[in-house]
Amino acid sequence: EVQLVESGGGLVQPGESLRLSCAASGFTFSDYYMAWVRQAPGKGLEWVGRIRDKINGYTAEYAPSVRGRFTISRDDSQNLVYLQMNSLKTEDTAVYYCTRESWYLDYWGQGTLVTVSS
Amino acid sequence: EIVLTQSPGTLSLSPGETATLSCRASQNVNNNYLAWYQQKSGQVPRLLMFGASRRATGIPDRFSGSGSGTDFTFTISRLEPEDFAVYYCLQYGSARYSFGQGTKLEIK
Repeated sequence: EVQLVESGGGLVQPGESLRLSCAASGFTFSDYYMAWVRQAPGKGLEWVGRIRDKINGYTAEYAPSVRGRFTISRDDSQNLVYLQMNSLKTEDTAVYYCTRESWYLDYWGQGTLVTVSS
Repeated sequence: EIVLTQSPGTLSLSPGETATLSCRASQNVNNNYLAWYQQKSGQVPRLLMFGASRRATGIPDRFSGSGSGTDFTFTISRLEPEDFAVYYCLQYGSARYSFGQGTKLEIK
């Protein structure tokens, strides 16, 4: 059974940093691209970015709203994917979902809430 | 970046009726790589359709999708109480994915 479990969310002040983790199991993690999607309270879904696999150089893509502030990385030996979030803004407040990318996003974690507030 | 516009914003129907949702892209969606998700309140989005018209595993045939290029349609026949939720389209045909803003399907 595919499982994705996010952790690391919490309350931070504007300008601070936070790193989210996602632990994957139930599939060959190294074979897949992994992505992050977020959802602000009461709002829709927003694609944040993805990281490709080793064959594709672990390259990443980001949404314009987070490019330059967020970085996605992965550790294939531990089946982990990370979202490093720097210079956080109040508008980054959202539930952050880790997803597996099979072209479309087929499996999702339960999400972790990040609140950016002073 | 491809912008997806869903309509209507809210759709009010009764159980047993047919729901028709639209997703329009600002530019061509390569290979018709368009997916649909259902999200119920407080829950994680669930994949329903991919490739515009292919049902995900376990999705009943009451759910169907069609379209190509920039115009896509998602249809739910014989609405059941558990179908009332928010539906999102996702384009995955470009390097940077994007979601529509969602259509809320509510009970009339």
